[in-house]
Amino acid sequence: AQSVTQPDIHITVSEGASLELRCNYSYGATPYLFWYVQSPGQGLQLLLKYFSGDTLVQGIKGFEAEFKRSQSSFNLRKPSVHWSDAAEYFCAVGARAGGTSYGKLTFGQGTILTVHP
Amino acid sequence: DAEITQSPRHKITETGRQVTLACHQTWNHNNMFWYRQDLGHGLRLIHYSYGVQDTNKGEVSDGYSVSRSNTEDLPLTLESAASSQTSVYFCASSESGLAEQLNYEQYFGPGTRLTVT
Repeated sequence: AQSVTQPDIHITVSEGASLELRCNYSYGATPYLFWYVQSPGQGLQLLLKYFSGDTLVQGIKGFEAEFKRSQSSFNLRKPSVHWSDAAEYFCAVGARAGGTSYGKLTFGQGTILTVHP
Repeated sequence: DAEITQSPRHKITETGRQVTLACHQTWNHNNMFWYRQDLGHGLRLIHYSYGVQDTNKGEVSDGYSVSRSNTEDLPLTLESAASSQTSVYFCASSESGLAEQLNYEQYFGPGTRLTVT
C-alpha cells in the first residue's frame, strides 16, 4: 500500500519569503499526486495535481509543485508568500490502476503554515 | 455551480446515541467518500461508494455505516456514538469514467464537527 510523509508539521515564514513544503511518498510506480489546502474551519481545496507529463505543475494561488521520480517527492513551492496563504497543506497520492485502492487517496499528516507580517 | 454540502456543520451528541451526518453533491459524481480528520492523523478513510447501491469499508470503518440510494447522497451513520468518534468529518466526491485519473481528483465538502459527550 502507498504511504505519504510530510516531514514538517509546522512551518513559519515571513510574508514575501519563498516557501517549500515537502512531500515524500512510497509506492511501486508513479502515483497520481495532489496538493490540497485547508483554511481554518473550511474543507479541503485542490491546489494542484500531477498525472503525467511535465514534472513541474502549476496550480491556483501562484503555487507550483515538482515531481521528482528519483526522490519519490512532490514538493510544493511558492516564490512569495502572502498572509492569506496561512493554512494547513496536505499532500495526497492515489495508486494507478489501483485494484482495491481504485479512486482512493492516501493523505499525509499535513503541514501547518504560519505567515508572519 | 456544482457543489458538495454537509449538514449539520456542528453537532453535539451523547454517548450511545445514533447520529447521521448528511452529504449531498450536485456534481453528479459516482464516487463518494467519507473521511475523519484528527490531529496528528491527517485524513483517514471511513467508507466509500462507487455508485448507487455500492458501499465499501475504509481503514477506520468500525462503528460507522453508509448507504447509497441515489447518486447525490451518501449519509454517514454512527450506530452508537462513542467519545472516540469526536472528530471533524469530511465528505468528498470524484468523477468516474474512461479517464482513470479523474476518479482520484476529489472535491470536498466543508466538514461537520461532531462532539460526543
